[in-house]
Amino acid sequence: GQQLNQSPQSMFIQEGEDVSMNCTSSSIFNTWLWYKQDPGEGPVLLIALYKAGELTSNGRLTAQFGITRKDSFLNISASIPSDVGIYFCAGRDGNAGKSTFGDGTTLTVKP
Amino acid sequence: DAGVTQSPTHLIKTRGQQVTLRCSPKSGHDTVSWYQQALGQGPQFIFQYYEEEERQRGNFPDRFSGHQFPNYSSELNVNALLLGDSALYLCASSLGRQGWTGELFFGEGSRLTVL
Repeated sequence: GQQLNQSPQSMFIQEGEDVSMNCTSSSIFNTWLWYKQDPGEGPVLLIALYKAGELTSNGRLTAQFGITRKDSFLNISASIPSDVGIYFCAGRDGNAGKSTFGDGTTLTVKP
Repeated sequence: DAGVTQSPTHLIKTRGQQVTLRCSPKSGHDTVSWYQQALGQGPQFIFQYYEEEERQRGNFPDRFSGHQFPNYSSELNVNALLLGDSALYLCASSLGRQGWTGELFFGEGSRLTVL
């Protein structure tokens, strides 16, 4: 079945540092999505990418859809304590179909 | 604007029992998807309901079944519970018609513990 590999599994950084995480797949996806999950809550969509090569920003977050449609990265600039959480990538291969999630990158920000 | 609501938030069952989880989608949404999230893992797709029918299904056994009502709310039923069914069950709502951009809005989940 489809699998997404996220790296790193966890990150410990100082407040103010930049963060980079990525996601790879053996399958092609038409859409890549990045979510953040805080403890006790459901995932919240951060960025959606719809075209190969697309680079999209949302505040301090920037994500890119790989040209092969098999990978994506997420960057967070100037991290702050509220960036703490688990970041998931997800791929979708149809307009209304299921999303396949990676196992997440856990981010810890030290003040 | 009410978001996705799920109930119950926590529940404990024993092996062999049956459980029903409930979800009300975000206002204006007509599609409900259910995901299972085991500890330390990403959500795994169970199935999706649109127009009161199961539109797509993931790799879950028939013990997992669902239903969508005319008001778009949904239920997830799990029969003959196993220890491995212990997880956070997430409901996500979205728009199902053509042109949908795919954004899922998740509820806070129902935490199921099977003893």
